[in-house]
This record gives sequence, C-alpha cells and structure tokens, in this order.
Amino acid sequence: AQSVTQLDSHVSVSEGTPVLLRCNYSSSYSPSLFWYVQHPNKGLQLLLKYTSAATLVKGINGFEAEFKKSETSFHLTKPSAHMSDAAEYFCVVSDGGYQKVTFGTGTKLQVIP
Amino acid sequence: DAGVIQSPRHEVTEMGQEVTLRCKPISGHDYLFWYRQTMMRGLELLIYFNNNVPIDDSGMPEDRFSAKMPNASFSTLKIQPSEPRDSAVYFCASSLLAINEQFFGPGTRLTVL
Repeated sequence: AQSVTQLDSHVSVSEGTPVLLRCNYSSSYSPSLFWYVQHPNKGLQLLLKYTSAATLVKGINGFEAEFKKSETSFHLTKPSAHMSDAAEYFCVVSDGGYQKVTFGTGTKLQVIP
Repeated sequence: DAGVIQSPRHEVTEMGQEVTLRCKPISGHDYLFWYRQTMMRGLELLIYFNNNVPIDDSGMPEDRFSAKMPNASFSTLKIQPSEPRDSAVYFCASSLLAINEQFFGPGTRLTVL
C-alpha cells in the first residue's frame, strides 16, 4: 500500500526567500514520486519526478526535490520564491508505475511581497 | 498538441438531472484517468482506462456514476441522477506508458443545486 503525507497545509514566505514544502511517503516497493502544482482555477502541472535515478531531482521554474529513502521524504525546495509561485502543491506517490497514484492533501503556498 | 481538453468548463444543474462530462486526451496517449477534487476529500481517482478499456473503477463512488471510452480520442463521465454532494471539480488526465507523467486537463467545475 502507498500513502503520502504533506506536513503543512499552508506555507507563507516572503518574496525572495527560500521555499520548503515537506512530503513524507509510505510505499511497499521502490516508489515513483512526483510534485505537481495547481494554480487557481487551473489544472495540475508536473513540476518534477523521481523514478529511481538521481536522488536530487531538478524541475521546472527553479524547483528541486531530494529523495531520502532513510527518512522516507521527498521535500520540495526553491532558493528564492517568486510571486508567481503562489499556488497549491501536491506530492504524489506511486508504487509500481504511475498508473495508479496517490495524491497528498496539498500545500498552499502564499508569497508575500 | 492542444493538451487534454475537457468540456464543459463549468456546469450548473439541478438535483436529479443527468450530467455528462467530456474529455479528449492527448493524441497517442494510451491511459486516461478521471479524478474528482473537493475541499473535503482532496483529489480522488475515480477510474482509469488503458487502450479504451476500464482497468480500475474502484474509486467510482456509487452506481450513479459511469464512465465510457468509446475510442482513443474521447471519454465521458456521466452522473445520473446528480446530487448536491457531487459538486466538485472533475479532472481528466492522460498519459503514455513510455512517459512517466500524467497530463491534466483544465477541469470541469460542477455545481449541483
């Protein structure tokens, strides 16, 4: 069975400061892990994905995430927040493929000017 | 490619009426997914198809919901009869086995009065 926990429902940062969105997962197998972003009234867009290659994954818009098996974590980071980063972010886990995935409950990121 | 196309974008109907949501996946994709997003339950997978065949419909909430995929370029999700608790945003996504990523449509916002 697979599950994912996003530790913060809301995160607020000032523009230009670092972003950290936390995600822990549980999986019976070697998981695939994803981060998606959803801007208001929009569909979901893939930010980055981990599929058992390099543990540090770089995505779009300057985001990256590190897979830490010992901590069962896949936290999303960005060195400097931009106003356009304000959105909801979903951590997603899949056990054996990506066909059936489990979404986290989402973290809303607020960026303060 | 235009991406995943969903119609209508907004639907307002009265309790008891039939509702049909439509999805056109990205050309060449062999998987199609239907999701429902609500504040209370987050993102839930309802059903997914592979090569037009339903593979897993365990997320379909009840018999009032049905989904079809008559060909590779079209799928419908039908609710009959609709109830106020069906109010949600319904997303369609498609993917290709060789690309470990789901592409989401913009969603249909359904309001049942």
